[in-house]
Amino acid sequence: AQSVTQLDSHVSVSEGTPVLLRCNYSSSYSPSLFWYVQHPNKGLQLLLKYTSAATLVKGINGFEAEFKKSETSFHLTKPSAHMSDAAEYFCVVSPVDRGSTLGRLYFGRGTQLTVWP
Amino acid sequence: GAGVSQSPRYKVAKRGQDVALRCDPISGHVSLFWYQQALGQGPEFLTYFQNEAQLDKSGLPSDRFFAERPEGSVSTLKIQRTQQEDSAVYLCASRRGSSYNSPLHFGNGTRLTVT
Repeated sequence: AQSVTQLDSHVSVSEGTPVLLRCNYSSSYSPSLFWYVQHPNKGLQLLLKYTSAATLVKGINGFEAEFKKSETSFHLTKPSAHMSDAAEYFCVVSPVDRGSTLGRLYFGRGTQLTVWP
Repeated sequence: GAGVSQSPRYKVAKRGQDVALRCDPISGHVSLFWYQQALGQGPEFLTYFQNEAQLDKSGLPSDRFFAERPEGSVSTLKIQRTQQEDSAVYLCASRRGSSYNSPLHFGNGTRLTVT
């Protein structure tokens, strides 16, 4: 079974300060993990993905995430927030075991990031 | 390069009406997914096509929901006798291949409101 828990429904930071969005996952097998961002009235955009290569994954717009198998975590970070980062962020797991629809995504409930000037 | 296109962008239906939501995937993309995103929630899987074959429809919430992709390109999600709980954003996504490593490209969605 697959599941994703995003530990914070809302995160607020000041512009220029670090961002941390937390995610824990549960999967029967070593999964692929993703972070997607959704701006208002826009489609979901892939930020980054982990597919069993390097555990520290760099994405677009300065975001990165670290896969920690022992903690079953995949937290998203950015050293310095920008106003344009304000959006909804989804942590996503995609199982790779046989019997699962390849590429079927399981989304967390989302974290709304607010960036204050 | 066009992305995934969904129409209509917004749809208001009276309870009991049938609706049809259209998805134009990126040209040449083999895989196509439909997701449902309720207000304040993450998207949830509805169904998956590989070309014209519907390989997984386990996420469809009831037999009022039906999806098709007859020629392996455009897909239509149909909801019969809409109910208020069907109000949500319906997202379509496509992918070039069938590998889990390939990224999904999402459309902007159709926001369905059932009154």
